[in-house]
Amino acid sequence: ETGVTQTPRHLVMGMTNKKSLKCEQHLGHNAMYWYKQSAKKPLELMFVYSLEERVENNSVPSRFSPECPNSSHLFLHLHTLQPEDSALYLCASSQDRGERASGQETQYFGPGTRLLVL
Amino acid sequence: GENVEQHPSTLSVQEGDSAVIKCTYSDSASNYFPWYKQELGKRPQLIIDIRSNVGEKKDQRIAVTLNKTAKHFSLHITETQPEDSAVYFCAGGRDYKLSFGAGTTVTVRA
Repeated sequence: ETGVTQTPRHLVMGMTNKKSLKCEQHLGHNAMYWYKQSAKKPLELMFVYSLEERVENNSVPSRFSPECPNSSHLFLHLHTLQPEDSALYLCASSQDRGERASGQETQYFGPGTRLLVL
Repeated sequence: GENVEQHPSTLSVQEGDSAVIKCTYSDSASNYFPWYKQELGKRPQLIIDIRSNVGEKKDQRIAVTLNKTAKHFSLHITETQPEDSAVYFCAGGRDYKLSFGAGTTVTVRA
């Protein structure tokens, strides 16, 4: 796949496990996002990185820890999760053109990681 | 922050008929309104977007309208086809932040 890729596509973990989700974008973008998608609920923005610096954290529990080592890669480190954290985790990327830009740029999504916490 | 509401939650239409999905937003500073289509088991994909300096935009069978005064925007799909069956999400926001609606499940009956 080109564009935005995510691994793994499916993950089952126990509440005491530690795992990481990986996202990679091949679009030359400089902003990356983590979203949580639960059934019958709006997509929830979790984290935003622009130019590799975290600019937004929507009060996400500390058991989720993001990492953005460069503009093409984004990780979500998971530890001691709860069953209610089971969801589809989507990564997205866009081009942040800065304060002088007239409006936001399109966000492109990855295929997601389907997470099940037992 | 921005709050986007989307209606209806489900929509069933006969093939060839039109489908309309409506969204409202709360933050008058929002200036970007994309629509995404998500087929079962697949990623959300952008189908059309509109910015606050435009009132209407059309792309083949898909059109979006924006009323800034009333803070609502709508997606119109004409001549629906079975492949239009999916979940559609509206979103609104500014800068790097988008708030999404809860989605509309559209079923096109053959």
